[in-house]
Amino acid sequence: QSVLTQPPSVSGAPGQRVTISCTGSSSNIGADFDVHWYQQLPGTAPKVLIYGNTNRPSGVPDRFSGSKSGTSASLAISGLQAEDEADYYCQSYDTSLSGWVFGGGTKLTVL
Amino acid sequence: QVQLQESGPGLVNPSQTLSLTCAVSGASISTGGHYWSWIRQHPGKGLEWIGYIFYSGSTDYNPSLKSRVTISAATSKNQFSLKLTSVTAADTAVYYCARQVTASGRYFDLWGRGTLVTVSS
Repeated sequence: QSVLTQPPSVSGAPGQRVTISCTGSSSNIGADFDVHWYQQLPGTAPKVLIYGNTNRPSGVPDRFSGSKSGTSASLAISGLQAEDEADYYCQSYDTSLSGWVFGGGTKLTVL
Repeated sequence: QVQLQESGPGLVNPSQTLSLTCAVSGASISTGGHYWSWIRQHPGKGLEWIGYIFYSGSTDYNPSLKSRVTISAATSKNQFSLKLTSVTAADTAVYYCARQVTASGRYFDLWGRGTLVTVSS
């Protein structure tokens, strides 16, 4: 059970917008630690999508955006494409666990 | 272009030591700016941070694994390694080496392809 809680799955039709939540607590996101998001395509290593809550590395489409408020963060994907079907993970730091933590992951299905 | 590549046995006997190496190309692990890390993923599950080594040689480990983990570096070979002792079936996972930036909230900007380690007799 991760200290960062994500929905196990989300889905959307091509072209639609979906959001994935990452709910933490006062010992991680709420303690002002940054949240980062990773995309893991089937059979591959994770790849950073969003860093520092809202920043996109070069090469990541602007269809992907991140936000953070209080003890939660969200990843939004607009204009869904079939290639977006993957697992998505949030990551932050937790002072109670004294380490870097990941959410349990969310599987995105493009209908 | 910076690349990371894991190597090591794919099968380890229970109670033995798991040993993996990450070869880094395109960047030096001896300079500052990054933490060189290990992360694992149990089959069909999420990601678990194991620990890191910094260019200075300092290390930090996941408290849940700390008693069994050692991360070391071979700077002349531009490699860093993971040792996990007294393994059990619960240590079966894909092990990734990754680079963690020192700024911007410490995210993992580069990952190796991962290597599956199975603990079984």
